[in-house]
Amino acid sequence: DAGITQSPRHKVTETGTPVTLRCHQTENHRYMYWYRQDPGHGLRLIHYSYGVKDTDKGEVSDGYSVSRSKTEDFLLTLESATSSQTSVYFCAITQGRAGELFFGEGSRLTVL
Amino acid sequence: DQQVKQNSPSLSVQEGRISILNCDYTNSMFDYFLWYKKYPAEGPTFLISISSIKDKNEDGRFTVFLNKSAKHLSLHIVPSQPGDSAVYFCAATPTSGTYKYIFGTGTRLKVLA
Repeated sequence: DAGITQSPRHKVTETGTPVTLRCHQTENHRYMYWYRQDPGHGLRLIHYSYGVKDTDKGEVSDGYSVSRSKTEDFLLTLESATSSQTSVYFCAITQGRAGELFFGEGSRLTVL
Repeated sequence: DQQVKQNSPSLSVQEGRISILNCDYTNSMFDYFLWYKKYPAEGPTFLISISSIKDKNEDGRFTVFLNKSAKHLSLHIVPSQPGDSAVYFCAATPTSGTYKYIFGTGTRLKVLA
């Protein structure tokens, strides 16, 4: 157990509404990641963070923003949700380079 | 441009036999590779990793082989068990430069009893 909690675990929302997913970790890991999983696409990196206020884009960052104001929380925001953002979102952490990623349980988001 | 590719979406194997899952990568900066297993409605869980300084790493029934010249890695599961039925993802990352871990599209393994 890497001490990762994602919230909410399930959310249904409407197109055009803002959505924020939260990833909370309890073990002071420096690196945090947001992925989305879709059939046929596997796990795709959205954004990642390598420290407080230090973030960078991943493979599919359009339409998403992130914030990390403290070590334990990494927030993923969809400013105006679209149906193409219906997905399962996973948060992950790692302690350093050449280390395993540990994943949370996932947040299933449905945009109607 | 997909940097990590798993060209077989699915694989079926008889219980007790060997399962071989393949993964190709294009980015020569990748030098650390990982395999993950994922059951439905759960997060991916780490299985085994390999650094580019090695060409083989074993952990129990799981062995990962790395062919750097071909930019290819494979995961061998011997013997395969019904509980191994899951989706398997390979991932790659450079150990310098960016902190990105890039995943393949996954292979669904079904082990038949």
